[in-house]
Amino acid sequence: EIVLTQSPATLSLSPGERATLSCRASQSISTYLAWYQQKPGQAPRLLIFDASNRATGIPARFSGSGSGTDFTLTISSLEPEDFAVYYCQQRSNWPPITFGQGTRLEIK
Amino acid sequence: QVQLQESGPGLVKPSETLSLTCIVSGGSVSTGSYYWSWIRQPPGKGLEWIGYIYYSVNTNYSPSLRSRVTISVDTSKNQFSLKLSSVTAADTAVYYCVRVLSGGVVDSWGQGTLVTVSS
Repeated sequence: EIVLTQSPATLSLSPGERATLSCRASQSISTYLAWYQQKPGQAPRLLIFDASNRATGIPARFSGSGSGTDFTLTISSLEPEDFAVYYCQQRSNWPPITFGQGTRLEIK
Repeated sequence: QVQLQESGPGLVKPSETLSLTCIVSGGSVSTGSYYWSWIRQPPGKGLEWIGYIYYSVNTNYSPSLRSRVTISVDTSKNQFSLKLSSVTAADTAVYYCVRVLSGGVVDSWGQGTLVTVSS
């Protein structure tokens, strides 16, 4: 099973700042990586698929990059509504679907 | 736009069977393009894929839960269901029904339902 490791566990930033979240896979997954955002009390929401493609309706301030084992989610300028937990997910060798443990993005 | 809604008991006793149903609207569970799945999230923790049903009869389950899980579909009601047997407190979680695209991306989620295992 492919293991995804996200870092940092918690990221404290202010609105307007740039956020960089990382996800590392235990083996190469090409670009078969997605990112999800989860706000308290809500289901996750798909942000990015295939490493760099924004899902429908996702603002341009969200971008994804990477391939192989190292991936990055970047939020160019944080809005108040962006503070949430972010999960990466691989589909290279599914089933099973596997998720990272999450990065909590909190207001500094 | 597809919508998914979970329903079922919020409290289950240890050793009993957890049963949840997901009603699908705006799409058909018979469509071969999608994998109708369950994902769970223990309180304060991450996401765990449980399994899927595809083309109404093909199933695949997480290796860690395979011996206790059954996912089935009722095409007449456009819904699919989860049964998890012999539950323990470790099965306490928010359970989400989701739609997974053929490429393994989860594009639609139910709102989730909390199931607590306790006597």
